[in-house]
Amino acid sequence: DAKTTQPTSMDCAEGRAANLPCNHSTISGNEYVYWYRQIHSQGPQYIIHGLKNNETNEMASLIITEDRKSSTLILPHATLRDTAVYYCIVRAPSNTGNQFYFGTGTSLTVIP
Amino acid sequence: DGGITQSPKYLFRKEGQNVTLSCEQNLNHDAMYWYRQDPGQGLRLIYYSQIVNDFQKGDIAEGYSVSREKKESFPLTVTSAQKNPTAFYLCASSNSGTNHYTFGSGTRLTVV
Repeated sequence: DAKTTQPTSMDCAEGRAANLPCNHSTISGNEYVYWYRQIHSQGPQYIIHGLKNNETNEMASLIITEDRKSSTLILPHATLRDTAVYYCIVRAPSNTGNQFYFGTGTSLTVIP
Repeated sequence: DGGITQSPKYLFRKEGQNVTLSCEQNLNHDAMYWYRQDPGQGLRLIYYSQIVNDFQKGDIAEGYSVSREKKESFPLTVTSAQKNPTAFYLCASSNSGTNHYTFGSGTRLTVV
């Protein structure tokens, strides 16, 4: 699976949009981009995933560049409860192994 | 509600003792996984199972053992051979349809 690069930490003012970048320049054609987040001392929570089109759900939007080498997770109106570590993962759907590899992610702090 | 349950949330053991962490899911997921997380680190895969009565080693399987006798259950035993067992342990499950993970809330193991 392709490696990802994320900033170590970011701050965002409450009520503003949080834009979390992820670089995945070695992504393969069949690899999806997944985002999870982990609130302190809890299990990671699935947020969103996509292949090449932009995606939106009730939690966030995912913007993938046309060359698929990078993506941005957008939390449109950040709240204090969005303070967490956000993981960007790229992987191919597969029945062999099917495991995700989590790096250290981006620690997002939402400031009142 | 469907979900994945890990118990206990906190566990203390004396050095040299084996300890078993429980993971149960009622999501009818085929695959289950165990990860270990150390402070400030990402998640590392210990073991995974794609089907009942079958499991595979992950990246850091030494000192751990698992069983998968039932689809719903994937217990992890931390043996005395594990040199640094104190950590946060996370269990997850998935199926090929959703292709993403559902995590439990974790067990924090402290060995004294």
